[in-house]
Parts: sequence; C-alpha cells; structure tokens
Amino acid sequence: EPEVTQTPSHQVTQMGQEVILRCVPISNHLYFYWYRQILGQKVEFLVSFYNNEISEKSEIFDDQFSVERPDGSNFTLKIRSTKLEDSAMYFCASIQGALNYGYTFGSGTRLTVV
Amino acid sequence: DAKTTQPNSMESNEEEPVHLPCNHSTISGTDYIHWYRQLPSQGPEYVIHGLTSNVNNRMASLAIAEDRKSSTLILHRATLRDAAVYYCILRGSGGSNYKLTFGKGTLLTVNP
Repeated sequence: EPEVTQTPSHQVTQMGQEVILRCVPISNHLYFYWYRQILGQKVEFLVSFYNNEISEKSEIFDDQFSVERPDGSNFTLKIRSTKLEDSAMYFCASIQGALNYGYTFGSGTRLTVV
Repeated sequence: DAKTTQPNSMESNEEEPVHLPCNHSTISGTDYIHWYRQLPSQGPEYVIHGLTSNVNNRMASLAIAEDRKSSTLILHRATLRDAAVYYCILRGSGGSNYKLTFGKGTLLTVNP
C-alpha cells in the first residue's frame, strides 16, 4: 500500500537553528498538509498546500515557518529559528482529491529543540 | 469548524465487537464523517469515512444515523493491535474546510 514517507524520524536541534523536515507524499496525491502534535496534546493543523501554493495556514504557522515542494516529489517544512516550544511530532499528510478521499499520514518526525 | 463529541475512553475485550459512538449534531449537509486512529507513537491512520450511507471496508464499518447527527464506528472483532485513540472528524467540502480538525478522541483499551 502506498505510504507517505517522512525523514528524519527524529531530529535534535539547538534553539535558534534552522530545521527542514522532509516528506514524500503519495505520487498521485494533489493536496499536502503539515500537522504537529505536542506531547500529550491534540494533533494541530499547520498548513495546507495545493497547486504549488499555500491554500490555508493556521495561527501557529507564522513567519518562522515555510513550506516548499521543490521538485514535484518532496514536500518540506522549514522552521527558520527554532524555539523550545517547537518541540513536537510533525506529521505530513496527503490526499488524492478534494472531497471523497481519506488522508494518508506519515509516521512523523520527532523534533526536539534544546 | 463543526464539532464532534466522543467519550474520553472505552474498554473492550479481545475478539469482541466494539462500537465507538460520535455525536455531531451541528453537521452540515456537505460534511463528510471521517474516522482516524492513532496508535501509540505513530501518525494518525485513516480508518473510514462516509457521507450519508453506511460504509464497510476491511478495517471497520461506519453506521450513520438517518439524521446524520451521530455515527458509530464498528470494529467487528477487536484485537490488541486495535488499542489506539480513535478520532471522529467532520470534514467540509469547500475551500478552507478541507483540513482535518482533531479533537481528543476516544482512547480504546483492548483487554486480552
């Protein structure tokens, strides 16, 4: 069964450093998402991406965050200057079409900011 | 976003059926009912979704009330691997409603 692949599975970074989280969505999917989950809390929406542009972003997704689909297969989330509160699991998800489809999530990247 | 209400936790025994309820009294006519589950230390996993009619797949069945204000996820024979948090989510069909808004879900414990 097709999978959404995320790398790395775990990343430790120093506060203030830039990190890039990588995702390879399913190849025929058109809509891409990033979610995050702080330990013990709910899964939160960050951003959605369609047709090479952001279609919606949450309040969490401030100027420190950016997304790219640089080569038609990878989908990246960049955090420019990490803060301690950015420590969380980050999940990438993709969906084939707009309406009658289920989302496929990756297994996540655990980001630890020290 | 339209909201759903689920019990915080439920318990089941292995090899018995499990019925996980979800109330969504403010559902709109174009909202799809999605169910996902999250096993410990893993990403959410799609289980099933539907609009008006009951749905079956290899993982589960989804029973949707006639007025669509509630639904039930049915696991026909629970296994230990079904122990997870189950999320019932309404997904809109227009523009910014494409995202999923997760609640706290129902923590399902399966006893051997």
